[in-house]
Order: sequence, then C-alpha cells, then structure tokens
Amino acid sequence: NAGVMQNPRHLVRRRGQEARLRCSPMKGHSHVYWYRQLPEEGLKFMVYLQKENIIDESGMPKERFSAEFPKEGPSILRIQQVVRGDSAAYFCASSPLGQEVTEAFFGQGTRLTVV
Amino acid sequence: QQQVKQSPQSLIVQKGGISIINCAYENTAFDYFPWYQQFPGKGPALLIAIRPDVSEKKEGRFTISFNKSAKQFSLHIMDSQPGDSATYFCAALYQGGKLIFGQGTELSVKP
Repeated sequence: NAGVMQNPRHLVRRRGQEARLRCSPMKGHSHVYWYRQLPEEGLKFMVYLQKENIIDESGMPKERFSAEFPKEGPSILRIQQVVRGDSAAYFCASSPLGQEVTEAFFGQGTRLTVV
Repeated sequence: QQQVKQSPQSLIVQKGGISIINCAYENTAFDYFPWYQQFPGKGPALLIAIRPDVSEKKEGRFTISFNKSAKQFSLHIMDSQPGDSATYFCAALYQGGKLIFGQGTELSVKP
C-alpha cells in the first residue's frame, strides 16, 4: 500500500528552464493538493485538484505556474522559465473522495534548486 | 485574515520535559485544526487534530488544548523524547480543502 509518491525527489534546473514535478496519489484517492515550502517557512497552499478539474488555484502564482490532474496518470505541477526564487520544496498531498483534507497524506516532496 | 501565527520558532527541552507550542488565528471560518510533524527531508505527517467545539484532545503523549474565545490552540508533548526532535506545524482548515500552516517550530529534545 504505497503512500503518495512524488518524483523526482531532487530537481536542479537552470534559470529559464522548465520544471515538471509529478505526484501519484495514494490508491483510491481522487483529491490532490500542492504546497510549497520555502526555507525556514511553513507550507503555503498552491492548488487543489480533482481528476480533470481544478477546484481552487488561489495560491498559484499568476504566471509561469500550472497544474493538472488528468484522468489517467499522475498530477503534474509545471513551472515554466524558472527563477532562483522558485527554489523550494514542493509537497503533494492526496485524500480520498468525500473526505476532509485532514485525512490527506503528504508525499516526501520534490526539492527544486534553480541555479 | 488567513494567517496562523505560531510560536516559538525554536524550542529546546530536556528529555522527560514538557514541550509546548502555541498557535493563534483570526479567521473564524477555520473549522479544523491539525498538527503536523516533519522530520528533515520528509513530508509532513499528521500528528493530532481537533475541532473548535472541543477544548482538549489527547492521544498518548500529545495533547491539543483549544481556546475558541481567544482563538488560540496549543500542542503539549509530555515526557518529551529525543525522537520527538522535529519541526512541528500547526494548521487550520479553510474552505473545505485548503490548509493554512503556521511558520513551524523546530523542537530539539536533549538527552
């Protein structure tokens, strides 16, 4: 019974490149949440998705960031034209259909470094 | 106001002592208050949670105290152990799907 799987665990990108972060939710979970954690800070909500639907993207920067959760396959957080300020740990959480997010389980995160 | 303020930023406790971490919020729309434990290089793990209609919840050595009128809640770790050394985050659930996290407390339990 695998938990939330995120890959890659570590990602290094040069400024201007694209970063793609993947999240496979726990089996049976159809709700996915993305959070960003800057060094020495708490987690900040980015986006809440269900299959093929963005429910709440109020925490997403208006430019360069996008997220999707297709019918098949993992959820993808995409950051285009990365800048140094995008360096952070990005965490994905998933929860079962109908459950509150407090039942959500977090993955181990992807640590993005922009050089 | 969608903030949750957490203190202290860091905490050092002797083994066997009590660790206390405090959080405060403004938004009365928050309806669930979980605490997360995070070890270096790992994702946050749910530790214990409380609803605002309950004043206290205890699970083993971990207790949440909740003061609805003061909009404050705290985590107490009794008989703290070196294995409890981690970063602790309080959070509040907002609009059914969004967690608002505090800034975190780095706890170090000395043997």
